[in-house]
Amino acid sequence: GAVVSQHPSRVICKSGTSVKIECRSLDFQATTMFWYRQFPKQSLMLMATSNEGSKATYEQGVEKDKFLINHASLTLSTLTVTSAHPEDSSFYICSALTGDYGYTFGSGTRLTVV
Amino acid sequence: KQEVTQIPAALSVPEGENLVLNCSFTDSAIYNLQWFRQDPGKGLTSLLLIQSSQREQTSGRLNASLDKSSGRSTLYIAASQPGDSATYLCAVTDGDFGNEKLTFGTGTRLTIIP
Repeated sequence: GAVVSQHPSRVICKSGTSVKIECRSLDFQATTMFWYRQFPKQSLMLMATSNEGSKATYEQGVEKDKFLINHASLTLSTLTVTSAHPEDSSFYICSALTGDYGYTFGSGTRLTVV
Repeated sequence: KQEVTQIPAALSVPEGENLVLNCSFTDSAIYNLQWFRQDPGKGLTSLLLIQSSQREQTSGRLNASLDKSSGRSTLYIAASQPGDSATYLCAVTDGDFGNEKLTFGTGTRLTIIP
């Protein structure tokens, strides 16, 4: 079945630095990928939708310059958290659209900003 | 705006019992509904996908039903096991064609007591 690989699984960074999270579709081409954020004990919240070769579509309230999304190929989408602050600490999950509008999710990235 | 609610928020049952998790959504114009499982600190695992034209899907001990007109879905777990302990999320896909979105429920944290 469709597999999405997300790296890193955990990252700790200093406040003010940038962190890049990668999401790869391993055995299929993902023209559309999604990035979610999850706070403790809360459900997933969609941050943005990325389409290969075009600019990402961000949800209301998500800062485009803060969360840079690049979907340069059919198998790779990246999320870069720029100038990270402690409030950016969260669990980030990517997913890719597969057939029948099903979704496959990455394993998630736990970001801690200190 | 689509809203997805799951009841109960938490559930504890003895091992071996059958149980039902509930999911409701406010806008019945959906393409499909998915049930996911999430273990602590991990990504999502897709359990069952029900297309809007379908009434139910089964996989092993899991059975999911969909009543689109009433905006409800249930996930039935038979003969529960300690390994079933996790948070279960339902999500619906809706939106305009070509601009589909996935909206998640609030989740049900399930604990199976050995």
